[in-house]
Amino acid sequence: QVQLQESGPGLVKPSETLSLTCTVSGGSMRGDYWSWIRQSPGKRLQWIGHIYYSGSTNYNLSLKSRVTISIDTSKNQFSLKLTSVTAADTAVYYCARESCSGGSCYLRTWGQGTLFTVSS
Amino acid sequence: EIVLTQSPATLSLSPGERATLSCRASQSVSTYLAWYQQKPGQAPRLLIYDASNRATGIPARFSGSGSGTDFTLTISSLEPEDFALYFCQQRVNWPELTFGGGTKVEIK
Repeated sequence: QVQLQESGPGLVKPSETLSLTCTVSGGSMRGDYWSWIRQSPGKRLQWIGHIYYSGSTNYNLSLKSRVTISIDTSKNQFSLKLTSVTAADTAVYYCARESCSGGSCYLRTWGQGTLFTVSS
Repeated sequence: EIVLTQSPATLSLSPGERATLSCRASQSVSTYLAWYQQKPGQAPRLLIYDASNRATGIPARFSGSGSGTDFTLTISSLEPEDFALYFCQQRVNWPELTFGGGTKVEIK
């Protein structure tokens, strides 16, 4: 059974870069998309972007200029970098596996989430 | 952006009762809709995909229906472990995904 675990510093200062890593255990990264989603306090979940196991990416247009998602299949990890953070980027960040079956792609496995706070 | 509106925000029910949760889309998403369950401190869990298909390992008391703009998640008889937060998600403009605001099912 595939499991995901987010890791990274919980606090950064405004204008700095958020860096999070998701470690995948219990299975291969091959054939799936690997996603980042966040939820700011009082707001609904927001899709940030995803990366295919081969390395191709798609990002939320509203965040695209600040987001980079990368993958290291040899380590079974994928990562998120978000530059120039502000208080609005304070959120619980989730990583997830998006698997496709018969043309339908859904977030079939999620990590527990990690709180990331932007504060000086 | 397609907006998903869930109702009610909170549903207060007793174990054994039937729960009916609604998700309405601002424009048609065909049947490209999923439902997830989330408990405090736990990872969200996929329950239903493509509006009406149960994910692997999901009990038969969970069912989904609808198409276009109106969708329903039904829990036929609430078990104690079903009291949680439920949210919907659409993928009609994949890879862009959007989520509903959630419905909390609480013990009455």
